[in-house]
Amino acid sequence: DTGVSQNPRHKITKRGQNVTFRCDPISEHNRLYWYRQTLGQGPEFLTYFQNEAQLEKSRLLSDRFSAERPKGSFSTLEIQRTEQGDSAMYLCASSRPGLAGDEQYFGPGTRLTVT
Amino acid sequence: SQKIEQNSEALNIQEGKTATLTCNYTNYSPAYLQWYRQDPGRGPVFLLLIRENEKEKRKERLKVTFDTTLKQSLFHITASQPADSATYLCALYNFNKFYFGSGTKLNVKP
Repeated sequence: DTGVSQNPRHKITKRGQNVTFRCDPISEHNRLYWYRQTLGQGPEFLTYFQNEAQLEKSRLLSDRFSAERPKGSFSTLEIQRTEQGDSAMYLCASSRPGLAGDEQYFGPGTRLTVT
Repeated sequence: SQKIEQNSEALNIQEGKTATLTCNYTNYSPAYLQWYRQDPGRGPVFLLLIRENEKEKRKERLKVTFDTTLKQSLFHITASQPADSATYLCALYNFNKFYFGSGTKLNVKP
């Protein structure tokens, strides 16, 4: 399968714990996006990478969230000191070089439950 | 920031009919507007993209229109099938960000 993969698919954690998610984009895609989606809502933009550079980060993101994309390949999203409000589906998407607003290929998501 | 409105109520139609979904936005016109399909528990799947200088785009049974004066996009599925039942999301792109609507759930009844 050459699509976008995300791990883990599900994560249950206790409030206050740190969690880290991984996204492996399609290999030739240089653009990578992270989103958060809650029930009944559309994906909410979190951050954007072009190669290894983080070019955009949502103002909605608190400093408990951090993302990296070393070497411009896979990316990780870390949430520190999780809160119940962090419970959501975290989606990763990638797109190819070229048009900045080109189609995105989404992964299956990581569902986070904070108890 | 950009605000996007999609009908929050589900759209129920009969198989074979044309489904029309609406996406309205405020503020500035996006460089690109996209439509995605999302099934429960899965990531969105790209369907169509239309640029700000395009009025209409078609792909098989799908058609998208883009009216920058009305700040509206319409998404049509002709000859709808039960397999088309899903949530449809519109997304606007500007300045390195995508803004998604909350989606409209389409139910196609046989």
